Amino acid sequence: SAVISQKPSRDICQRGTSLTIQCQVDSQVTMMFWYRQQPGQSLTLIATANQGSEATYESGFVIDKFPISRPNLTFSTLTVSNMSPEDSSIYLCSVRRDRVGEQFFGPGTRLTVL
Amino acid sequence: QQQVKQSPQSLIVQKGGISIINCAYENTAFDYFPWYQQFPGKGPALLIAIRPDVSEKKEGRFTISFNKSAKQFSLHIMDSQPGDSATYFCAASYNDMRFGAGTRLTVKP
Repeated sequence: SAVISQKPSRDICQRGTSLTIQCQVDSQVTMMFWYRQQPGQSLTLIATANQGSEATYESGFVIDKFPISRPNLTFSTLTVSNMSPEDSSIYLCSVRRDRVGEQFFGPGTRLTVL
Repeated sequence: QQQVKQSPQSLIVQKGGISIINCAYENTAFDYFPWYQQFPGKGPALLIAIRPDVSEKKEGRFTISFNKSAKQFSLHIMDSQPGDSATYFCAASYNDMRFGAGTRLTVKP
């Protein structure tokens, strides 16, 4: 398995501001992902964080709104920019060692935008 | 984005009973099919997973049944316990992973 930590665990932010969420893994992993989970809903993939290159975004998510960095094989950040109340959600970091195989999730960051 | 259909949306089972959750997928490129268990306020935890070359996998009280020709797979929880009460997600993966809508399981004592 992989031990994944996220910071912050929760935050309350004002409309129009930005928040950066950090994801740290205890060992090197090939693949890192960012998901969003709205209350009572399923998980939606935001993007795949690529080391050394731009993230790959899913339809409906754009780099200007959700810039992602991945400077090495154990760390990634997701920024939620120019926030609105619709961005209130749980943001989850997820990792996988290889293309196929077990995928693990962090504890999530619960974001509330007022 | 949802490429995996999951049912039922909610399920109530008596303690000791069998819980069954079903999923169906369309994309034949998927080659890994996990189930996740999520408790309130926690991230999803990997429960059990199967590859398409196997029709069944059992781990303790949890069994995945996989039907490649029908593009369906299911989770069976035997001897369901109140501690199993959680939301269960099926998923399917090739490069990235897609999730079903989730099933809220309640096991009554």
